[in-house]
Amino acid sequence: EPEVTQTPSHQVTQMGQEVILRCVPISNHLYFYWYRQILGQKVEFLVSFYNNEISEKSEIFDDQFSVERPDGSNFTLKIRSTKLEDSAMYFCASSADGSQSYTFGSGTRLTVV
Amino acid sequence: TQLLEQSPQFLSIQEGENLTVYCNSSSVFSSLQWYRQEPGEGPVLLVTVVTGGEVKKLKRLTFQFGDARKDSSLHITAAQPGDTGLYLCAGAIHFGNEKLTFGTGTRLTIIP
Repeated sequence: EPEVTQTPSHQVTQMGQEVILRCVPISNHLYFYWYRQILGQKVEFLVSFYNNEISEKSEIFDDQFSVERPDGSNFTLKIRSTKLEDSAMYFCASSADGSQSYTFGSGTRLTVV
Repeated sequence: TQLLEQSPQFLSIQEGENLTVYCNSSSVFSSLQWYRQEPGEGPVLLVTVVTGGEVKKLKRLTFQFGDARKDSSLHITAAQPGDTGLYLCAGAIHFGNEKLTFGTGTRLTIIP
């Protein structure tokens, strides 16, 4: 069963530091996403990415966030200057067709202290 | 903003009983998905429904999409302890590269 792989599984960082969360989507998928889930809350959409550009982003995805697909296999989420409220589980997802069949990774738990 | 409300939020029943979880919205969705999420893991897709009135079965789980494509239900027959988990519905407004709006979740506990 193909998987979406995320690293690291846990990341602790000091407030104000930059973090990069990494994802390897399923190889033949074309659509990539980042979602986050603050403890005890709903899964929230951050950004979608297709054809090497952002397709849509939420209000959460402000100037402190960026995404990149640097080498055709990795898909990264960068937070430039982390805030305490960025602490959450961050999930990467990919889809072959962009509509019906998403596969989520196991997530990265980001803790900002 | 599209909202998906799930009910009940928590459900604890005895093994062998039947249960139904609901997912409701005032918005029309092009597709609706049900996921199961284990603690510390990502959501795992169970099913996608796309046609109003559509019914899909996955062993003891039956999923239905409302005729107006605004709501969905998940029915579990003869619940087993292995069914314990967090069940999430998620909807997409448009087809194609569409973000998912997730529901509030139903935490199900099956008591042996």
